[in-house]
Amino acid sequence: AQKITQTQPGMFVQEKEAVTLDCTYDTSDPSYGLFWYKQPSSGEMIFLIYQGSYDQQNATEGRYSLNFQKARKSANLVISASQLGDSAMYFCAKSYIGGGADGLTFGKGTHLIIQP
Amino acid sequence: DAGITQSPRHKVTETGTPVTLRCHQTENHRYMYWYRQDPGHGLRLIHYSYGVKDTDKGEVSDGYSVSRSKTEDFLLTLESATSSQTSVYFCAISDSRRSNEQFFGPGTRLTVL
Repeated sequence: AQKITQTQPGMFVQEKEAVTLDCTYDTSDPSYGLFWYKQPSSGEMIFLIYQGSYDQQNATEGRYSLNFQKARKSANLVISASQLGDSAMYFCAKSYIGGGADGLTFGKGTHLIIQP
Repeated sequence: DAGITQSPRHKVTETGTPVTLRCHQTENHRYMYWYRQDPGHGLRLIHYSYGVKDTDKGEVSDGYSVSRSKTEDFLLTLESATSSQTSVYFCAISDSRRSNEQFFGPGTRLTVL
């Protein structure tokens, strides 16, 4: 079975600091995708960023970037200049192939709290 | 925001009763998914659909069935609800096998007493 590991159940970070959320995964698939989602206390799942396994460059979306190290099977999320509104649960997820058509396997999440 | 609605948003039911949750999309996306979210487990895939009447099982499909008779609707049925099925249920959609994003609905909180 696919396994996604997020080793930080909770993190406290000062506002304006950069944050790195860890994610490692298990796979023998040649092609796959990696996703990060944010879930604020209101409960909705918000897509943040995607990395394809064959993408040559690390993905970036505004303040979010993905530190993709394929050989180490890691896909850490980096949030630059954290804001109070970044406080939320963050989930790493993996698809079986490049897209998400067969569904995603999620990690257990990291609860990030940004302190003023 | 992607046009995904889930109904009901909240439901309390008793053990042994049948329950059907509905996911409705207005995006005409081909792929639809049902996940459940439990504390300490993240989200886990229950069933998914890759077209009308085409469905397949996910990681935690026991005790659940699904149906998709129209592109826009994906139903999740608990034939005989158990307390272990108390959870938050999310529907998601994506538009192709190469989609790099799944859009999630607002979730349904189900409590089985």
